[in-house]
Amino acid sequence: EDKVVQSPLSLVVHEGDTVTLNCSYEVTNFRSLLWYKQEKKAPTFLFMLTSSGIEKKSGRLSSILDKKELFSILNITATQTGDSAIYLCAVEGWGQGAQKLVFGQGTRLTINP
Amino acid sequence: GAGVSQSPRYKVAKRGQDVALRCDPISGHVSLFWYQQALGQGPEFLTYFQNEAQLDKSGLPSDRFFAERPEGSVSTLKIQRTQQEDSAVYLCASSPTSGSAETQYFGPGTRLLVL
Repeated sequence: EDKVVQSPLSLVVHEGDTVTLNCSYEVTNFRSLLWYKQEKKAPTFLFMLTSSGIEKKSGRLSSILDKKELFSILNITATQTGDSAIYLCAVEGWGQGAQKLVFGQGTRLTINP
Repeated sequence: GAGVSQSPRYKVAKRGQDVALRCDPISGHVSLFWYQQALGQGPEFLTYFQNEAQLDKSGLPSDRFFAERPEGSVSTLKIQRTQQEDSAVYLCASSPTSGSAETQYFGPGTRLLVL
């Protein structure tokens, strides 16, 4: 059965700190790994990763995938209070129902001023 | 343009009641997904439509859950004889193709509380 495990489940840091969020996975016929930010209800897309070792970057956020070790990390540098949210990792497998996402439990990130 | 919309945003039901949750996908989006997100958990897949065809309903937790998309646009998730464990946020997502998950857009969800 496909499975995604995120760590830590909760993280509290001060504004300006750098954080690293972890995601490990098991999936049949891996297609992609995605990161989302969930502030209120609707998860919003951050990154999609399909290849090992290629960093995706958007402003202060970056992410990388290791398909050999089956994990991904999401880095946020110079954190701001607006980064406070739940960060979700999800994997997608090939097959009927491609785009069917298996999510991790999420990491609740709190940035204190 | 308009995103995915869901209604109602909040629903309180007494145990045993039937509820219907509506999802209006982005116009023209072929694929539509329902997820259930319990408190403190990530979303869990319930069912998937490609146009009006329900291609995967493997995540529906029991036969009390039923989803339809009769004209390939609006979808309704119906829960019969609600139980307390059905309390969760129900998220709908749509995508323009059956291709990459990168194009999957989520709605704001319906928070269901069963008393």
